[in-house]
Amino acid sequence: NAGVTQTPKFRVLKTGQSMTLLCAQDMNHEYMYWYRQDPGMGLRLIHYSVGEGTTAKGEVPDGYNVSRLKKQNFLLGLESAAPSQTSVYFCASSAQGNYGYTFGSGTRLTVV
Amino acid sequence: LAKTTQPISMDSYEGQEVNITCSHNNIATNDYITWYQQFPSQGPRFIIQGYKTKVTNEVASLFIPADRKSSTLSLPRVSLSDTAVYYCLVGPSMNRDDKIIFGKGTRLHILP
Repeated sequence: NAGVTQTPKFRVLKTGQSMTLLCAQDMNHEYMYWYRQDPGMGLRLIHYSVGEGTTAKGEVPDGYNVSRLKKQNFLLGLESAAPSQTSVYFCASSAQGNYGYTFGSGTRLTVV
Repeated sequence: LAKTTQPISMDSYEGQEVNITCSHNNIATNDYITWYQQFPSQGPRFIIQGYKTKVTNEVASLFIPADRKSSTLSLPRVSLSDTAVYYCLVGPSMNRDDKIIFGKGTRLHILP
């Protein structure tokens, strides 16, 4: 039972490049979330999903897009990366109505 | 969404009991209180969740007074490995399409 798996673990992008971060969970959770964490900061919610085919904006959605085509996967896309998007990105999932989030191990993204 | 306030940082010594208090004055009737622990370079990990009175598990205890406007996470006999950031979250329960916001947490530093 892998829980929440994020790929890739590390990535360096040049300004203006695009990329997709993949989050996969094998717990049949309805809810999935993307957070970013900057040095000395807490986690800030980017986008979230309450079920397959649904997405919603969080606190800091600008510059990101998401898709939830399959229940087990939640994709985070950066269409045109900017240095301000250098951060550690965490994906999480939870069962509906249960706030015992399970987090992935994170993706460290650097935009140069 | 209920806003939470917790100390930015705390220091303690090995073997001591540590209590971290979180204020959530506008907690709603159906909101639960959840605490997470985060080590460097890892995603947060669920510690404990409660609604009222006292909850205890193998890791910690959670004390919630009758008015539920605050809560206290208690870590018994801490060790160096308990050095981490601790987040207090307050959020809705079943069947509500909503999201949980993490604050900056409390940075707990255990000294030898």
